[in-house]
Amino acid sequence: QKEVEQNSGPLSVPEGAIASLNCTYSDRGSQSFFWYRQYSGKSPELIMSIYSNGDKEDGRFTAQLNKASQYVSLLIRDSQPSDSATYLCAVNKKGRGSTLGRLYFGRGTQLTVWP
Amino acid sequence: GAVVSQHPSRVICKSGTSVKIECRSLDFQATTMFWYRQFPKQSLMLMATSNEGSKATYEQGVEKDKFLINHASLTLSTLTVTSAHPEDSSFYICSARGWSAGNEQFFGPGTRLTVL
Repeated sequence: QKEVEQNSGPLSVPEGAIASLNCTYSDRGSQSFFWYRQYSGKSPELIMSIYSNGDKEDGRFTAQLNKASQYVSLLIRDSQPSDSATYLCAVNKKGRGSTLGRLYFGRGTQLTVWP
Repeated sequence: GAVVSQHPSRVICKSGTSVKIECRSLDFQATTMFWYRQFPKQSLMLMATSNEGSKATYEQGVEKDKFLINHASLTLSTLTVTSAHPEDSSFYICSARGWSAGNEQFFGPGTRLTVL
């Protein structure tokens, strides 16, 4: 079983719509969850972090965490063509090399927002 | 968010040469730095984790003698690809984490390595 699972997509939504990205994780003890955006040919950029159950909003982005279901999601409201990218879900878990743990990434969901 | 730089952004070298990539945290102290490799259309692959002042911990299957990592200060880590071959051509990305940066992990812009 993979540490982090994401629907690989592609997900295609029209401009102005809500894009919904989902992620599940396997380690029930995980405490920190992140969403990164990666444009083609670029490195990942941190857009949201969430640590407790519930919703966290930042501008057009809302992250949702449900630890009981081991589920994390990202909603993008009023989607814009500039949001077209691959979105990576990441979960921090204790591992070798660092007492603070390391990130495990999903394979990413490719989002296309068409005008 | 915190800023991480990488240098060079792109390098082309001949087979058999060594290439050094630098990763710097510009506005925070990075107690831990991570090195990733990403092939086209594939997900990030963690190569190694390095803590300042100690030896790097390599992931399974990554040759530590080929990918030399040094994390000599709280703001600088280097990755040296020794005796590079065409199959080492990839996108190498570092990331850094530190208490003063909220303990979140921030990525550098990446280095695209092409070995001829």
